Amino acid sequence: NSKVIQTPRYLVKGQGQKAKMRCIPEKGHPVVFWYQQNKNNEFKFLINFQNQEVLQQIDMTEKRFSAECPSNSPCSLEIQSSEAGDSALYLCASSYRVDTQYFGPGTRLLVL
Amino acid sequence: GDSVTQTEGLVTLTEGLPVMLNCTYQTIYSNPFLFWYVQHLNESPRLLLKSFTDNKRTEHQGFHATLHKSSSSFHLQKSSAQLSDSALYYCALNNYAQGLTFGLGTRVSVFP
Repeated sequence: NSKVIQTPRYLVKGQGQKAKMRCIPEKGHPVVFWYQQNKNNEFKFLINFQNQEVLQQIDMTEKRFSAECPSNSPCSLEIQSSEAGDSALYLCASSYRVDTQYFGPGTRLLVL
Repeated sequence: GDSVTQTEGLVTLTEGLPVMLNCTYQTIYSNPFLFWYVQHLNESPRLLLKSFTDNKRTEHQGFHATLHKSSSSFHLQKSSAQLSDSALYYCALNNYAQGLTFGLGTRVSVFP
């Protein structure tokens, strides 16, 4: 069973508002991933970190999305100015290098 | 880039019958990791099976799959479906701690 912790479980924001969600990876997992699962249940990879360094990120993430994994603090994903199309389930996953990614329960964002 | 194809969007079957979900993939890497994740309603994806070894059968919780690199396939099978198997099933591909590439998913509905 996954030990990845995500908070909050639900987040409701108005358009243009900031939305911030957090993730504590499983202990001993240095690699953290963020995914977006839309209303059609499709997954989109957003960004990943190894320790505090960004490994990969998609173009969308570079514009309104920001993420960080500071030392000794939860990782976070923040949407600077929420849009209706950002409404989705945001999933954090962690892994030990190339091994399996284990998912947290997710943060369900609703942008009104 | 990488891609994963799941040909069935919805599979409906009667309890006790066998089930097979198709998964094929494309990648330039010679040693990809292949996964099956299961997602029950209002839950996050949970690992069901994984493999990176060619032609080796992997099993878990009554499900099994074999990675065939010659045909780029990783089909999921179970000999006797249960009501509790009703869920979304995702085939996913990973290369060296990169973001997972998911298929579009197959919804399995098992009826009594």
